[in-house]
Amino acid sequence: EPEVTQTPSHQVTQMGQEVILRCVPISNHLYFYWYRQILGQKVEFLVSFYNNEISEKSEIFDDQFSVERPDGSNFTLKIRSTKLEDSAMYFCASSTQGAISGELFFGEGSRLTVL
Amino acid sequence: SQQGEEDPQALSIQEGENATMNCSYKTSINNLQWYRQNSGRGLVHLILIRSNEREKHSGRLRVTLDTSKKSSSLLITASRAADTASYFCATDTGTYKYIFGTGTRLKVLA
Repeated sequence: EPEVTQTPSHQVTQMGQEVILRCVPISNHLYFYWYRQILGQKVEFLVSFYNNEISEKSEIFDDQFSVERPDGSNFTLKIRSTKLEDSAMYFCASSTQGAISGELFFGEGSRLTVL
Repeated sequence: SQQGEEDPQALSIQEGENATMNCSYKTSINNLQWYRQNSGRGLVHLILIRSNEREKHSGRLRVTLDTSKKSSSLLITASRAADTASYFCATDTGTYKYIFGTGTRLKVLA
């Protein structure tokens, strides 16, 4: 069964360092998302991406964050200068139909620890 | 309150009992979905109900939607230990995002 894959599963970094989290969405999906979840808490929307551009972003997604689909398969989230409060689980998701009627398929997440 | 709030925050029941979780939201929606998250794992889609539907079933799951009250409920019948997880509702407001609720942590005791 097709699945969304994320790498790395866990990354530890020093505050101020750049981090890139990678995702391979399901191949025929057109809409891509990043969410984050601080330990055991609410799942927070970061950004959605369609047709090679950001469709919507939250207030969390400030200038320190960027997303890119560098080729036909990968979807990346870059945090330019990490802060302690960026420590969280980051989930990538994809869907065929976007927010109108589409089920989201989630990866297993990348745990980011900022020291 | 925030878009998508589940209650109770935590629920502990015996195997075989039914579990009911509720979700309230604030703005108009096109559809509402329920997801399950096992500890430390990704979210898994359970069921989607559209704004013009009132009830939907899938196996042991029953979802209701009351758009006049801006609320939904998820019923899991004959619960099993394997149903132990966090359950989230997610609302689509017509923009390119789903807003997730705060989640209900369900523990089913064997």
